Amino acid sequence: EVGVTQSPATLSLSPGERATLSCRTSQTVDNYLAWYQHKAGQAPRLLIYDASKRATGIPARFRGSGSGTDFTLTISSLDPEDFAVYYCQERSNWPRGTFGQGTKVDIK
Amino acid sequence: EVQILESGGGLIEPGGSLRLSCEASGITFSNKAMSWVRQAPGKGPEWVSSISGGGGTTYYADSVKGRFTISRDNSRDTVYLQMNSLRVDDTAVYYCAKEENIRTAVIPHMDVWGEGTTVIVSS
Repeated sequence: EVGVTQSPATLSLSPGERATLSCRTSQTVDNYLAWYQHKAGQAPRLLIYDASKRATGIPARFRGSGSGTDFTLTISSLDPEDFAVYYCQERSNWPRGTFGQGTKVDIK
Repeated sequence: EVQILESGGGLIEPGGSLRLSCEASGITFSNKAMSWVRQAPGKGPEWVSSISGGGGTTYYADSVKGRFTISRDNSRDTVYLQMNSLRVDDTAVYYCAKEENIRTAVIPHMDVWGEGTTVIVSS
């Protein structure tokens, strides 16, 4: 099973700041990596698929990058609605896929 | 608008059974694979099971294989998760998600999720 490690666990930032979230896998997953946003009590939301492609309706301030084992989600300028928990998931053996433990982006 | 609604969660004793339902609307249901993902308190999400659009192919995480069964009724736009021999560590919020063949993607992705249903296994 592929291991997935996200860092940091928590990111405390102010609106308008840049957020950089990391996701590392224990073995290469090519670009079979997705990012999700999750707010408590709501449905998770697909942000990025195939490591760098934005899902429908996702603002351009969300950017995914990386391939192989190292991936990054960058939010260029945090909007108040962006404070949430973010998960990455590798899907190199679809439909199976391991999630990371998440990065919580909270308001500083 | 695509909507997914899970139901059937509750409090159950260890060793008991529950059946979760997931009803989808706003899509051609029989064309879509569907997946269940759970999230235990304080942990990251865990993929649990998936089923093909026609229902003929199913997949399970090792942690639930032999205890959980996924199925679907395309006439009702509903997918089910039958959970038997429940254990305390099955306690989680269970989410249902639609697997979409996004045009530019190589594999399907879980592009629409429900808000989840809570399963608590406790004596």
